[in-house]
Amino acid sequence: DAMVIQNPRYQVTQFGKPVTLSCSQTLNHNVMYWYQQKSSQAPKLLFHYYDKDFNNEADTPDNFQSRRPNTSFCFLDIRSPGLGDAAMYLCATSRDLAGGETQYFGPGTRLLVL
Amino acid sequence: GENVEQHPSTLSVQEGDSAVIKCTYSDSASNYFPWYKQELGKGPQLIIDIRSNVGEKKDQRIAVTLNKTAKHFSLHITETQPEDSAVYFCAAVGGSYQLTFGKGTKLSVIP
Repeated sequence: DAMVIQNPRYQVTQFGKPVTLSCSQTLNHNVMYWYQQKSSQAPKLLFHYYDKDFNNEADTPDNFQSRRPNTSFCFLDIRSPGLGDAAMYLCATSRDLAGGETQYFGPGTRLLVL
Repeated sequence: GENVEQHPSTLSVQEGDSAVIKCTYSDSASNYFPWYKQELGKGPQLIIDIRSNVGEKKDQRIAVTLNKTAKHFSLHITETQPEDSAVYFCAAVGGSYQLTFGKGTKLSVIP
């Protein structure tokens, strides 16, 4: 009965080789978020989709892109991964964007860049 | 913007003892305060939350208190068990969707 699903759980890529991480949800939530979490740090928001509307955080590098083809799925594309992009990538959802809406996280994808 | 400070960064307790984690926030407009538990290699899991119109909320061994005047909120875990060992994050949310996290507390429960 997993509600936010991320695949793969572990991803190994080479320096500069594009990689795509995927997230799906069974909650039918309007909002999907992508966070980056480095070791011993709090999650850092990269961007979110409200339905089809994309919102990039101001300090998210251009190297990171996202696609949301439908309500259930959202993808994180890293165009040219660098060593500094090795991290846990977390997908989250919420019913709406209003303050006070609970965000539900997936299990994360750990990305290793060689 | 909002700033959340969380203390302590690490906490070790004996099994059966209580654990308390404290957070302060800066934005008086913040009105929603969730707590997440993150086990090693997993995503954060919501364990309890509190809204600004409530001073305390309890769920079995877990309780959260909120003092809006002082702008601080705390997580209390009673009768700790080894499976409570994890990293705990507090967060604050104001008028927008943005979760502002504390830096996390690594809780170790020693059997």
